[in-house]
Amino acid sequence: SQQGEEDPQALSIQEGENATMNCSYKTSINNLQWYRQNSGRGLVHLILIRSNEREKHSGRLRVTLDTSKKSSSLLITASRAADTASYFCATDAGDSSYKLIFGSGTRLLVRP
Amino acid sequence: NAGVTQTPKFQVLKTGQSMTLQCAQDMNHEYMSWYRQDPGMGLRLIHYSVGAGITDQGEVPNGYNVSRSTTEDFPLRLLSAAPSQTSVYFCASRRNTGELFFGEGSRLTVL
Repeated sequence: SQQGEEDPQALSIQEGENATMNCSYKTSINNLQWYRQNSGRGLVHLILIRSNEREKHSGRLRVTLDTSKKSSSLLITASRAADTASYFCATDAGDSSYKLIFGSGTRLLVRP
Repeated sequence: NAGVTQTPKFQVLKTGQSMTLQCAQDMNHEYMSWYRQDPGMGLRLIHYSVGAGITDQGEVPNGYNVSRSTTEDFPLRLLSAAPSQTSVYFCASRRNTGELFFGEGSRLTVL
């Protein structure tokens, strides 16, 4: 069973708007990560947030983590057409930091 | 700096054939892993290794075999290919801080 699940499954926005994706997970974690995948390519790491952190920024990306609700959100501000991709959250399996489990992803389309 | 290199990029097999997907990394990462990605789904962990000589199973290990004789290489073997193994396979290595670095994928079709 998958540890993390993203919501929504698909999102279509206009260039310049903000995009928010959510991730929920089931068990306790050590950290949560977000990855981007362009069509036909490998995944690229975006940001890692540890269980004792509540918010983290990287450029136009903002990630929040609420361990009490077992959820995280990824906000992309001022989106660009180049942000069109699938976005995945990944969590360690709680009892094992060696297994990184991915959700099924959010497909983001940014219309020019 | 090449990162994670996977070969082949594309492969077509017949049911029952065997093959090996190659993965090499030049970042001296101890941890390496194999995932498969099916349409509309996320990645599922097949096998992983925390160092040379040490491997363990992930979520979907059946039908796959791995070994880790060197830090750099982590090949994935399909012993007797089945149509259910048609997928895109990704190899990844991990930095000590936790971030994964992925190869570009190997697209496998089993007829």
